[in-house]
Amino acid sequence: GAVVSQHPSWVICKSGTSVKIECRSLDFQATTMFWYRQFPKQSLMLMATSNEGSKATYEQGVEKDKFLINHASLTLSTLTVTSAHPEDSSFYICSAREAGRSYEQYFGPGTRLTVT
Amino acid sequence: ELKVEQNPLFLSMQEGKNYTIYCNYSTTSDRLYWYRQDPGKSLESLFVLLSNGAVKQEGRLMASLDTKARLSTLHITAAVHDLSATYFCAVVGLNTGNQFYFGTGTSLTVIP
Repeated sequence: GAVVSQHPSWVICKSGTSVKIECRSLDFQATTMFWYRQFPKQSLMLMATSNEGSKATYEQGVEKDKFLINHASLTLSTLTVTSAHPEDSSFYICSAREAGRSYEQYFGPGTRLTVT
Repeated sequence: ELKVEQNPLFLSMQEGKNYTIYCNYSTTSDRLYWYRQDPGKSLESLFVLLSNGAVKQEGRLMASLDTKARLSTLHITAAVHDLSATYFCAVVGLNTGNQFYFGTGTSLTVIP
């Protein structure tokens, strides 16, 4: 149980375009989802926290107009990178927290974004 | 802001040897997690430590938590090549809304 999927697993896009990444909890309801970014050989940096049905909370330094997060249902959150630039190339990982189990986060497999 | 530091950042060890990775954090916490990450992959949960003095073991890995010292250790016993990966600790602060703060990571290479 407690499986989180991400789609796509990797994506290449051209500079200036937008790309959407989906994060789904497959067998549980996720009241909260988290989006992380990881650059090569670095740690995970939290970008934003989203609660179902409300606006996401962004970490300091993360542009909310550039990284649009939507958590429209208890099983789906999306991250849209708008007007992507090569410096947005990174590994994006989502995690989900199940309702009533606040001590655990279940991580998705990650999405590799390359902006050319 | 809660800061989490791991030591060492890079570790190269021979098969069969023992070693310990340290995770220090800067503020009060009652939950600490250890994860493994293989290249190009996401995180694999290893241990969840929920109280002071907690010790958990799985195979050649053993994790412990000392909340008073704000320190967790991940001990590797008789390392094998399959343990080569990057290991992260993550801490949840008491007043941070269950947000995870990740350590810097320790890249472990086990040499045959």
